[in-house]
Amino acid sequence: DAGVTQSPTHLIKTRGQHVTLRCSPISGHKSVSWYQQVLGQGPQFIFQYYEKEERGRGNFPDRFSARQFPNYSSELNVNALLLGDSALYLCASSLGQAPYEQYFGPGTRLTVT
Amino acid sequence: AQSVTQLDSQVPVFEEAPVELRCNYSSSVSVYLFWYVQYPNQGLQLLLKYLSGSTLVKGINGFEAEFNKSQTSFHLRKPSVHISDTAEYFCAVSSGDSNYQLIWGAGTKLIIKP
Repeated sequence: DAGVTQSPTHLIKTRGQHVTLRCSPISGHKSVSWYQQVLGQGPQFIFQYYEKEERGRGNFPDRFSARQFPNYSSELNVNALLLGDSALYLCASSLGQAPYEQYFGPGTRLTVT
Repeated sequence: AQSVTQLDSQVPVFEEAPVELRCNYSSSVSVYLFWYVQYPNQGLQLLLKYLSGSTLVKGINGFEAEFNKSQTSFHLRKPSVHISDTAEYFCAVSSGDSNYQLIWGAGTKLIIKP
């Protein structure tokens, strides 16, 4: 079975632009969580979606939004990019809402210049 | 609010020697505890988890961890490390309430010396 996939792998954007990151969970998994990992730090929770509804939100500004589609894939959108948004964005999928066993994708490396 | 502290940012150890990576969390009524590994340029992989039951948890690649409620710790151990264990290790905690988000430590880089 394919693991969690994310696209694109790398992305370079300019301050003020908008970006969309995509995630496909493992087949059968209904929960997708998004994390931001700044270089040298642990991941920070951004959102969790379960059964297409937002079930959790971390301490991120409203410039960050996400959604989950009927096939359980997910998009993370970031508006008005700032230099500080440069990070590795990780997507994780799990069967249910609880994070007992999350499977992570390889991440999308976003660089904002 | 829940927090996680990984006391060492780097741990150098000789190959075939034992290693302990330390993790402490802020107190909570009930917690679920996790250790993840991140190899260079790769995503995160679950090493082991504590949900309930025995306080000694065994994971993949010969790693184990012990949940100590009184000391609010969940230290990771391996009796003999290999060069392939070179990676960054993250401790994470979920408070088990209606908010299922994981709170992560800053990570510990395990450096294996030949």
